[in-house]
Formats: sequence, C-alpha cells, structure tokens
Amino acid sequence: QVQLQESGPGLVKPSQTLSLTCTVSGASITSGSYYWNWIRQPAGKGLEWIGRIYTSGSTNYNPSLKSRVTISVDTSKNQFSLNLTSVTAADTAVFYCARGSRSSDLDYWGQGTLVTVSS
Amino acid sequence: QAGLTQPPSVSKGLRQTATLTCTGNSDNVGNQGAAWLQQHQGHPPKLLCYRNNNRPSGISERFSTSRSGNTASLTITGLQPEDEADYYCSAWDNSLSAWVFGGGTKLTVL
Repeated sequence: QVQLQESGPGLVKPSQTLSLTCTVSGASITSGSYYWNWIRQPAGKGLEWIGRIYTSGSTNYNPSLKSRVTISVDTSKNQFSLNLTSVTAADTAVFYCARGSRSSDLDYWGQGTLVTVSS
Repeated sequence: QAGLTQPPSVSKGLRQTATLTCTGNSDNVGNQGAAWLQQHQGHPPKLLCYRNNNRPSGISERFSTSRSGNTASLTITGLQPEDEADYYCSAWDNSLSAWVFGGGTKLTVL
C-alpha cells in the first residue's frame, strides 16, 4: 500500500518561500509510470492543482502559479518537494501531495498539511 | 478559480439516488473524461472513479459515472448517511497541460 506524507513548516512569513516535502513509502518513487503532484485547498474552498513531476525530472505547473513554483524530486530519499516563492496570505491552505498516472489518475493522497502565511 | 463547473450543493433523501454533474470543455472532460473524488470534512480527498469510468478496488458499486460530450456525471444509488460529503471532479486539460478541478458539490443526505 502506497503512502504519502507531507512535511514542512506550518507557518511562513509573507514574501518568504514555502517549502514542503512529500515522503513516499510502500513503493519506490521510481517504479511504474507515475508522476507526483502537489495540490492545495484553502479552508472551506476547493482543490487547486499546483504541479507535477516525473522521476525523470520533467515537470508541469499550474499556469497561474508557474512563475512562483518549483517541484523537485530526490529518488534516493523517495521524496519530492515543493517550493512556492513570494507567498502571501492568499497562499494559506492545506497542501496535499498525491500520486498520479495516465491510467490511475490521482489515486493516492497524503493526509495534507496546513500552511499558514502570516507575520 | 475552478476550471470545471459543478453545482455547489445537492440534497437527496436516504436510499434515494443522487446525480452530480461536472461540465468542462473539449480540452478536458470532453477529451479524456473526468475522475471523481470524495472528501469528508477534515480528511483528504479519496478517488472514487477513474476517468475511464472504472472504480478503484474497494469502492462501492453504488458509485457509477458516465459522460456525454463535455459533461461528466457521478450517480450514487441507495444514498447512505456516510455518503454526505464534498464531491470533486477532475480532468487533465490538454490545452493547459494541467489538472483542473471542479469547485465541488456538497451532497446532503436528508
């Protein structure tokens, strides 16, 4: 059973960089034709896809966030990470990591981690 | 802003049937269909149905999906109290090269 777990600071100051890591357990991050996603959800609102990375390093980002987002992968640690720069209060949300593939869509999700942007 | 359109809320009685809709365009829903996710308050989303209308292992047969043009539908039969949740559709958008989500539908089981 694949499991994903987000980790990182719960509080980030405005204008700083939000950094989160997703640790994958139960399977190698390089096995299969999977890609690895970040998705966020502000309190009481819907889901917003942030971006994805293949273990080859290939990425796609949400066009609305592209200028501020970097997703990277560390296959030796079975982890992938998110950096979101120049954050504001509008970036406050629960951040999820999720596995995806062409055939199984976004099938496994982490529990989510709340990140608050505040001084 | 959500890329796909879902009704904000649907209310149905216990043991009734609810049909939730999700409208996109030819670059997303109309191209590869929509997947459906269920989210209970305080929990992460859970995949209910793949874009190909199949269900992951362990998902009840009471959940089924279909598509007509650019609109996808999720039908839940024999509504149970535990079906009360938020339901999101999602689709890969070929034009944006991005996943897009609906704004979610809050299903209330009366």
